[in-house]
Amino acid sequence: SAVISQKPSRDICQRGTSLTIQCQVDSQVTMMFWYRQQPGQSLTLIATANQGSEATYESGFVIDKFPISRPNLTFSTLTVSNMSPEDSSIYLCSVGGGTGWGSTEAFFGQGTRLTVV
Amino acid sequence: GNSVTQMEGPVTLSEEAFLTINCTYTATGYPSLFWYVQYPGEGLQLLLKATKADDKGSNKGFEATYRKETTSFHLEKGSVQVSDSAVYFCALSSNTGNQFYFGTGTSLTVIP
Repeated sequence: SAVISQKPSRDICQRGTSLTIQCQVDSQVTMMFWYRQQPGQSLTLIATANQGSEATYESGFVIDKFPISRPNLTFSTLTVSNMSPEDSSIYLCSVGGGTGWGSTEAFFGQGTRLTVV
Repeated sequence: GNSVTQMEGPVTLSEEAFLTINCTYTATGYPSLFWYVQYPGEGLQLLLKATKADDKGSNKGFEATYRKETTSFHLEKGSVQVSDSAVYFCALSSNTGNQFYFGTGTSLTVIP
């Protein structure tokens, strides 16, 4: 298993500003994932962050809006840029979910509850 | 494509009642199926999983059986407790990739 520490746990931000969310894992992992959970909605994958390369973004998400850093195998950040009220969501960091030899479960941080006013 | 359809909530039950939360899926290939639980103010935790057809996942009194013929993975518990109050997410992971697909979540409240 993996223990993931995510911060901040919640924040209220002014529109037009940016917020950086940090995710720390207690073990080295190749891939880290960032999800968004909008109110009353399912989790949606924003991007996959690989150490040593550019993040891979899902359809509908772009690097200018959600820049991601992955400086080492235990840490990643997601920035929500130029925020608007529509960005109010819970943002979750995740690791796990292997391929090839078999899928494994994903592990999640406690999430960052963002409110943009 | 891959998707998960989950019973909408909220669900309110009395303590010791029987719980069923329905989950059906659409997938290419041979997915693994999961139930995650999110307690208030916390992140998602794995509750149980099943990696192939007819597997039964179980944990903390909860059970779910991977039914390929009906593409379902319904969550059940025979006697719920107040401490089971949480949001439950059904999810699948395709064995061709790392991506997880989640249902919309079902909020469960158990009253004494």
